[in-house]
Amino acid sequence: SAVISQKPSRDICQRGTSLTIQCQVDSQVTMMFWYRQQPGQSLTLIATANQGSEATYESGFVIDKFPISRPNLTFSTLTVSNLSPEDSSIYLCSVRNPDRSSYEQYFGPGTRLTVT
Amino acid sequence: AQSVTQLDSQVPVFEEAPVELRCNYSSSVSVYLFWYVQYPNQGLQLLLKYLSGSTLVESINGFEAEFNKSQTSFHLRKPSVHISDTAEYFCAVSGGYQKVTFGTGTKLQVIP
Repeated sequence: SAVISQKPSRDICQRGTSLTIQCQVDSQVTMMFWYRQQPGQSLTLIATANQGSEATYESGFVIDKFPISRPNLTFSTLTVSNLSPEDSSIYLCSVRNPDRSSYEQYFGPGTRLTVT
Repeated sequence: AQSVTQLDSQVPVFEEAPVELRCNYSSSVSVYLFWYVQYPNQGLQLLLKYLSGSTLVESINGFEAEFNKSQTSFHLRKPSVHISDTAEYFCAVSGGYQKVTFGTGTKLQVIP
């Protein structure tokens, strides 16, 4: 299994500012995933972050709004830029079980963002 | 393309009563199916999964789910719920070592 920690656990930010969320994994992983969890909606994949290459963004998400860094195999950051109330959500970091036959994903505890 | 439908956003049930949380999926390829649970203020945890073989899969805490290919369903059941089962449950589908698609979640509220 993998243990994932996220910082901060929650934050309240003003419109127009940015928030950077950190994700730390206790083992080396190739791919890290960033999700958004909005109330009453599915978990939505924002992007996949590979170490040493540009993140791959899903439809509807752009790098200017959600820049991602992946400096090594255990760490990633997601920045939510130019915040608006619509960005209020829970942001989750996730990794896959290194055992490819498992197909399981592990999730961090999430970062609850409120934009005022 | 793949999708997951969880028809019930909330399910209240009395303690020790049985419960079924419904999940239907669509996919153009062979699927792997998952149920994740999210306890309050925690991240998602895998509850159980169907990859192949027996269509009935079980978790260590008494939940079970049955893969029904003809009905494209993967409903989650427990014969007797406990207060500690109060959580949000997410059904998910994957076409392999690919992107995972999640349902909108079902909040199970166990009433004492």
